[in-house]
Amino acid sequence: EVQLVQSGAEVKKPGESLRISCKGSGYSFTSYWISWVRQMPGKGLEWMGRIDPSDSYTNYSPSFQGHVTISADKSISTAYLQWSSLKASDTAMYYCARHRRHYDILTWGYYYYMDVWGKGTTVTVSS
Amino acid sequence: DIQMTQSPSTLSASVGDRVTITCRASQSISSWLAWYQQKPGKAPKLLIYKASSLESGVPSRFSGSGSGTEFTLTISSLQPDDFATYYCQQYNSSDWTFGQGTKVEIK
Repeated sequence: EVQLVQSGAEVKKPGESLRISCKGSGYSFTSYWISWVRQMPGKGLEWMGRIDPSDSYTNYSPSFQGHVTISADKSISTAYLQWSSLKASDTAMYYCARHRRHYDILTWGYYYYMDVWGKGTTVTVSS
Repeated sequence: DIQMTQSPSTLSASVGDRVTITCRASQSISSWLAWYQQKPGKAPKLLIYKASSLESGVPSRFSGSGSGTEFTLTISSLQPDDFATYYCQQYNSSDWTFGQGTKVEIK
C-alpha cells in the first residue's frame, strides 16, 4: 500500500526552530515529487513548495520562499519541512503529498498532480 | 500565478440531489485540473484528474468536465458520505494553486 506517514503534532514557541517529516512507503520514493501544503485553521489549501527526491531539486511558492526549507533524504525515503524561526502565524496543519506524473503527447510535456496525501502534522506556535 | 475561483463557497443540498460546483481559472490551463474532497480533520482525497478522469476507487456518481478556464464537478446523486469540502487545483504550471473550496452542507 502506498503511504505517506507524517510526524506527530508539535507545540512550539515563537522563534524556535522545527523540522517535520513525511516518510514514503510502498513505492519508489525517488520516482515521485513530494509537495508540502499548508492549511490554516478553518481555511483552504495552500501549496508551499515541492522537492524531487531523486536530486533534491526544489521550487517554492513565492508566498513561502525564504520562510521554509524543504529537503529530502532518499536513503530513508523521507521528506522534510523546516523552519528556522517560527511565528504564531505558522500555526496550521501541514500536509505532504505525492505527485503522480502525467505525460501529454500533444505538448510533449509532463504534468504533475497530487495523488496520495499524508494525514497531516499539526503545528501550534504559541508563547 | 494562476488564480482559481470556485463557486459557490457553500452549497446546501439533500441526499439524492444533483450537485454542481464550478471552478474558473484566471488563464487557460487546458485540462490540467484536479478535484479533491476533504472531510473535517482529514487529508484531502483525489477524486478527479485531467479535468474528467475518475481516480481509481472513486464512485461513478462523481464526474468532472471542462477545459480552458471553466470546469465543473458534478455529483449525480448526493450521498451522506459526500458532505464535505471540495477543492479544485490547477497543475498547468509548477506553481500549483487551489480554489478556495466549496463546502457541501446538509439542507
